[in-house]
Amino acid sequence: QVQLVQSGAEVKKPGASVKVSCKASGYTFITYGFSWVRQAPGQGPEWMGWISAYNGNTNYAQKLQGRVIMTRDTSTSTVYMELRSLSSDDTAVYYCVREAGTESSGYYFLYWGQGTLVTVSS
Amino acid sequence: DIQMTQSPSSLSASVGDRVTITCRASQNINNYLNWYQQEQGKAPKLLIFAAASLQSGVPSRFSGSGSGTEFTLTISSLQPEDFATYYCQQSYNSPRTFGQGTTVEIK
Repeated sequence: QVQLVQSGAEVKKPGASVKVSCKASGYTFITYGFSWVRQAPGQGPEWMGWISAYNGNTNYAQKLQGRVIMTRDTSTSTVYMELRSLSSDDTAVYYCVREAGTESSGYYFLYWGQGTLVTVSS
Repeated sequence: DIQMTQSPSSLSASVGDRVTITCRASQNINNYLNWYQQEQGKAPKLLIFAAASLQSGVPSRFSGSGSGTEFTLTISSLQPEDFATYYCQQSYNSPRTFGQGTTVEIK
């Protein structure tokens, strides 16, 4: 069965960076892309960007351009999300999400990691 | 960016009630609309994709309809495990935007 296991909770100071990992198992890693979705306390989910597990191509949300970097390691079936210049507004649970779907049905967020709480506080 | 607007923001209902949640897109998204359920402290769970396709394993009391800019999620007979927050999300283009959520509470 598909599993996405994320790294543990982080506490960071404003201005610092955080890197969250997500290890996938139960399927052929390069077959599907991943999105990262975050959810601030009491808020709805927010899509941060997407990475192709096949070739590493990325597509970031414009509001995070320049601060977010998504990478993947095919040898370990792991994707990474690094967010720089953190502020209190970045305090949220961060989810890696494996997509599914087709061009005709559209792509949807089928498998979710357990979430990683990132707290930004001085 | 495509704005997704859900209504109502919250509702109170009883077990057995029929519940309908509406999601409106700020522009035509064809049928590229997905619905998720989120229980407190858990990751969202996919219920419906492509506006009306029921994800495998999801109870048949959940259904979706609509196209273009207006969509609905219907729970035909509310069960105790359905009290949660529901989000719509468009997959027409990037950024993939979500609605603000509808919380279904026990009456």
